[in-house]
Amino acid sequence: EDQVTQSPEALRLQEGESSSLNCSYTVSGLRGLFWYRQDPGKGPEFLFTLYSAGEEKEKERLKATLTKKESFLHITAPKPEDSATYLCAVLLNQAGTALIFGKGTTLSVSS
Amino acid sequence: GAVVSQHPSRVICKSGTSVKIECRSLDFQATTMFWYRQFPKQSLMLMATSNEGSKATYEQGVEKDKFLINHASLTLSTLTVTSAHPEDSSFYICSARVWTEIRYGYTFGSGTRLTVV
Repeated sequence: EDQVTQSPEALRLQEGESSSLNCSYTVSGLRGLFWYRQDPGKGPEFLFTLYSAGEEKEKERLKATLTKKESFLHITAPKPEDSATYLCAVLLNQAGTALIFGKGTTLSVSS
Repeated sequence: GAVVSQHPSRVICKSGTSVKIECRSLDFQATTMFWYRQFPKQSLMLMATSNEGSKATYEQGVEKDKFLINHASLTLSTLTVTSAHPEDSSFYICSARVWTEIRYGYTFGSGTRLTVV
């Protein structure tokens, strides 16, 4: 069964305290791995797509990396406005399939 | 970028009534739309996949007669929750697959909070 597991479920950081979120996956065939940010009561907002092991992408304080079994979302010197739920999703090789999501990591950054 | 507009953002309805949720692709043609449901502190769970002009494909355990999906045009997909009950209260989100010149991307609506009283 295709599975996506995110850890930790919740993470509390002080402003400026860097950390990483983990997304491990067990799938039959990975076409791509997506990271989204979701604010309370809103739809997911796209952050990154990674397609092959070793690939890295950066955007402001966020950096996403991918291996054959997991992905990390590194947050460098976070600010309170980075507080949100971060969702990881995988796209399988089968044509026309939807994204399969993990449960997310809820990040709280305090000043 | 590709934008999906979802309405309404919040709706409260009485038990037994029906509610329609709309998703419109504003600047692109959405041949495929996905509908998700999200319970508090849970992941997005796929309910159904709809392709323009075709019947929707529902995930196991999702009642197709209760959750009616219409995707009659390339810019509009609707989800109608029929005879809603309190257990249908949830956050419903649509997502469109977007061709971005070399690969597909997935963009999401802003979600609809449904409360059935």
